[in-house]
Amino acid sequence: EVQLVESGGGLVQPGGSLRLSCEASLFTLSSFGLNWVRQAPGKGLEWVSYISRSSSAIYYADSVKGRFTISRDNAKNSVYLQMNSLRAEDTAVYYCAREAGWGTVHYLNWFDPWGQGTLVTVSS
Amino acid sequence: QSVLTQPPSASGTPGQRVTISCSGSRSNIGGNTVNWYQQLPGTAPKLLIYSNNKRPSGVPDRFSGSKSGTSASLAISGLQSEDEADYYCASWDDSLNGWVFGGGTKLTVL
Repeated sequence: EVQLVESGGGLVQPGGSLRLSCEASLFTLSSFGLNWVRQAPGKGLEWVSYISRSSSAIYYADSVKGRFTISRDNAKNSVYLQMNSLRAEDTAVYYCAREAGWGTVHYLNWFDPWGQGTLVTVSS
Repeated sequence: QSVLTQPPSASGTPGQRVTISCSGSRSNIGGNTVNWYQQLPGTAPKLLIYSNNKRPSGVPDRFSGSKSGTSASLAISGLQSEDEADYYCASWDDSLNGWVFGGGTKLTVL
């Protein structure tokens, strides 16, 4: 079964940094765009960032722009999310999700599969 | 405040049919397809409906989706206890240049 596995979450102080990883299993990640989506405790889903297959297209939600950086290493079948200047409101479970469908034609695409998530807690 | 609007809760009894609405605008649902995700308690979201009305393999045909104008709906017929979950709609937003989600609807099977 194809799957994504996130890692790198943990407890960090406000203003600190953390790097999340998302590794693909049983499929070649380089053939797909990849998104990060987060979910604050007891709240709904919030899209965070997208990276295309070749890293030529990268998008961020306004809430993280300038603080988070998405990147990928296709040789390692992995995508990363570097999170700097972390705030309490960044506390959430972070999921990576493969964007499936029609390449970079986002308006026709969907997310499948999702990883199991990794918890990031920003607190002093 | 989510870009897409869903009712926060819905409920039904076993065997009933329930629908969950999702309202957006021309920059998202109005011009793009809608996907639905199911999140069972304590688990990651899972694709339920894609491209407005298509079911991935393994999803029962009790689940169906539709879209009209700037709104979409998820219908669940023959409600079962295992359908108790949070349901999210999502679409690409051309103005925001990103994905937007509904706030989620918590479905309770009475």
